[in-house]
Amino acid sequence: GESVGLHLPTLSVQEGDNSIINCAYSNSASDYFIWYKQESGKGPQFIIDIRSNMDKRQGQRVTVLLNKTVKHLSLQIAATQPGDSAVYFCAESRNFNKFYFGSGTKLNVKP
Amino acid sequence: DAGVTQSPTHLIKTRGQQVTLRCSPKSGHDTVSWYQQALGQGPQFIFQYYEEEERQRGNFPDRFSGHQFPNYSSELNVNALLLGDSALYLCASSLTGDFSGNTIYFGEGSWLTVV
Repeated sequence: GESVGLHLPTLSVQEGDNSIINCAYSNSASDYFIWYKQESGKGPQFIIDIRSNMDKRQGQRVTVLLNKTVKHLSLQIAATQPGDSAVYFCAESRNFNKFYFGSGTKLNVKP
Repeated sequence: DAGVTQSPTHLIKTRGQQVTLRCSPKSGHDTVSWYQQALGQGPQFIFQYYEEEERQRGNFPDRFSGHQFPNYSSELNVNALLLGDSALYLCASSLTGDFSGNTIYFGEGSWLTVV
């Protein structure tokens, strides 16, 4: 995705609400996708992945949806908690080679 | 068991200088990938090392070079530093043949500021 420079898109949600973070990926040949969480001063942390032969995958409190037709990925976080506040990135790859990251969305959870 | 360790954590260099960043992968991992993350942006793939050779490369100039040692640790070298090289440099380790994203581990990065 294109860079948004220093101004990351921000999603503000109330604690306990559900969050939906969206990502548009660029390569229709990408076959593997990961959502990462990055807290301030830390490296990206794996949240959940999905392969292109799936439309949906669920983890603990998180769900990833993949729409290959429009090259769109979303991350749903249930019952969002203050500890979920971070920047979230989607990453795409083909044949598990180098990963291309989106520009990120900052999630701000209000207590 | 240590995860991915990177050094130094922060450094300041002057334009035109050279810098070397270091990465020790997670125990049992044999592949190291380097990423550059500018402020407010997602990480961008620089290159990947496996069996002491560069296996893949992203869209970065030749000023960016690397090395992998027999113990799988790796270095990233950047020559003729530009102001635009200021970024967080991330190292990710993995095991070749293991096609699971949850086994890719990132270090906490090295913050490079070029003045």
